[in-house]
Amino acid sequence: EADIYQTPRYLVIGTGKKITLECSQTMGHDKMYWYQQDPGMELHLIHYSYGVNSTEKGDLSSESTVSRIRTEHFPLTLESARPSHTSQYLCASSEPGENYGYTFGSGTRLTVV
Amino acid sequence: AQSVAQPEDQVNVAEGNPLTVKCTYSVSGNPYLFWYVQYPNRGLQFLLKYITGDNLVKGSYGFEAEFNKSQTSFHLKKPSALVSDSALYFCAVRDFHQAGTALIFGKGTTLSVSS
Repeated sequence: EADIYQTPRYLVIGTGKKITLECSQTMGHDKMYWYQQDPGMELHLIHYSYGVNSTEKGDLSSESTVSRIRTEHFPLTLESARPSHTSQYLCASSEPGENYGYTFGSGTRLTVV
Repeated sequence: AQSVAQPEDQVNVAEGNPLTVKCTYSVSGNPYLFWYVQYPNRGLQFLLKYITGDNLVKGSYGFEAEFNKSQTSFHLKKPSALVSDSALYFCAVRDFHQAGTALIFGKGTTLSVSS
């Protein structure tokens, strides 16, 4: 059973609204990631964090921002949502060391109308 | 740059038949390879990984994968497919050249198992 939780699961919101997608994990993992999954189902890394107060942008340019004030919490914020932000957002965490894969949350499917 | 390729968008197989989902990789150095499965409207679930050791890796739900260094491949296999195996499968490689050493995912292969 996954110990990483994303809320909400589904969100429909109007253009221009500010939104925050929540991601929490109870495993004490330092490394956390946000991926955007496009309609073609490809996964693109948009943000990652090595630990508290550490955040970096990934390969895919994103207008979203993240914060990491607590180990267990890695929220993603869009200041002004646009239809181009419509996508599935997946949060993941990983144990330290390179031998480990990720544990994924169930995702948030965002639709901006 | 590190990368993985999944050459098939979709694989169709009859229940009870063996299945193979293909993955090839391009890395400098030793590859750290992973397979994940995604069911509709869900996150990805870990199936198996190759870091070092035996070329045949066994994972969850009866899946296995064969690491072939000469062919730079890491194909996912199962001897007898189930309808419930129908899902989207992702191959991934760890990118040691990127800060954060994040996983780089292939484009995914949809597996459809018919009864």
